[in-house]
Amino acid sequence: AQSVTQPDIHITVSEGASLELRCNYSYGATPYLFWYVQSPGQGLQLLLKYFSGDTLVQGIKGFEAEFKRSQSSFNLRKPSVHWSDAAEYFCLDDKIIFGKGTRLHILP
Amino acid sequence: DTGVSQNPRHKITKRGQNVTFRCDPISEHNRLYWYRQTLGQGPEFLTYFQNEAQLEKSRLLSDRFSAERPKGSFSTLEIQRTEQGDSAMYLCASRGSALPPDTQYFGPGTRLTVL
Repeated sequence: AQSVTQPDIHITVSEGASLELRCNYSYGATPYLFWYVQSPGQGLQLLLKYFSGDTLVQGIKGFEAEFKRSQSSFNLRKPSVHWSDAAEYFCLDDKIIFGKGTRLHILP
Repeated sequence: DTGVSQNPRHKITKRGQNVTFRCDPISEHNRLYWYRQTLGQGPEFLTYFQNEAQLEKSRLLSDRFSAERPKGSFSTLEIQRTEQGDSAMYLCASRGSALPPDTQYFGPGTRLTVL
């Protein structure tokens, strides 16, 4: 059974606006969590990962995510999105079981 | 580190034909995974190898599908008697066996079109 869920199937933001993509996990122990991005026609690329330690994780392309045990969340954030960020985003645990992901649309 | 490579990148075949895809993982990675992705969906797990041993298979992997990793390096995925429903992107990924779990690196995929 999937232990990581993304509540939002689609998110639309304007270029330059801030972004937060939600990810919730259900686990007893501290999970290992990953965010991947899949751009149109591109392969899956790791944005960032959390194993332990600092709960604010910095990734590539200006993305960050914060592990919040109290909220069982690992939300992905970016302060200012670019049109090239339009893609499908997947939050995963170490079992690497994919759900539907969140498709990000960028308005010009 | 040259990344995970997959060949061919595209394959068009007629229904009923057999096809074989190849995946070359990152050289030091002993774990190799196959996924299938259809349009608008996330990748679905098909099977997993640790070295040459196939440790897990999804029920999606019907008896027309077979995967091998004979020497624990590259892997092949064969589909026999292809059907139109097999049209999809087939993704391969690899990872090491370190703890905490190493990152899973994905190849570019092989897009299969069954006519």
